[in-house]
Amino acid sequence: NAGVMQNPRHLVRRRGQEARLRCSPMKGHSHVYWYRQLPEEGLKFMVYLQKENIIDESGMPKERFSAEFPKEGPSILRIQQVVRGDSAAYFCASSPEGVTGYTFGSGTRLTVV
Amino acid sequence: KQEVTQIPAALSVPEGENLVLNCSFTDSAIYNLQWFRQDPGKGLTSLLLIQSSQREQTSGRLNASLDKSSGRSTLYIAASQPGDSATYLCAESTSGTYKYIFGTGTRLKVLA
Repeated sequence: NAGVMQNPRHLVRRRGQEARLRCSPMKGHSHVYWYRQLPEEGLKFMVYLQKENIIDESGMPKERFSAEFPKEGPSILRIQQVVRGDSAAYFCASSPEGVTGYTFGSGTRLTVV
Repeated sequence: KQEVTQIPAALSVPEGENLVLNCSFTDSAIYNLQWFRQDPGKGLTSLLLIQSSQREQTSGRLNASLDKSSGRSTLYIAASQPGDSATYLCAESTSGTYKYIFGTGTRLKVLA
């Protein structure tokens, strides 16, 4: 069991470009969660998805950010027109149906230059 | 507003010491509390999860307690080792099985 896989591990984008972060949940896990860790801050919840459904996106910025978890393939967190303030570590976690607690991936560190 | 606070923010101890990391939370309607370890530049590793109906959980040299009435959890590390050096995060869930509120962590350094 490979665990929660996130790629890329590091991503550098220039201001105005798009960033796509991928997350493959653990085998058998149907729930995916995205968190963001800004420098010197705690992790903040962004969005909770199940296959083909966004369950809770209350932590997502209103503009430029979107997330999906298609029927096939990984979950994608997409940031359009990135700005320097988007520089952070983005963590994905997954869980099976009805189970308490997460398994986290190793994160994607986004740097906007 | 739900908040999770961790004290101290940083801690440096000699190898072999027993130590306690503190976590306090403002929402007493806690569902569960989880302690994680984060190594520099890496992801989070779940250490212990305590359900609201439980008082403590143990795993090896680690023991975590939960006191809902006072809004506190502690992580006890026995006989600390240099390999324990990391940032320790606690996170509270109050809305079912998802959406954790994280503290900012305690950065632990165990000196050989």
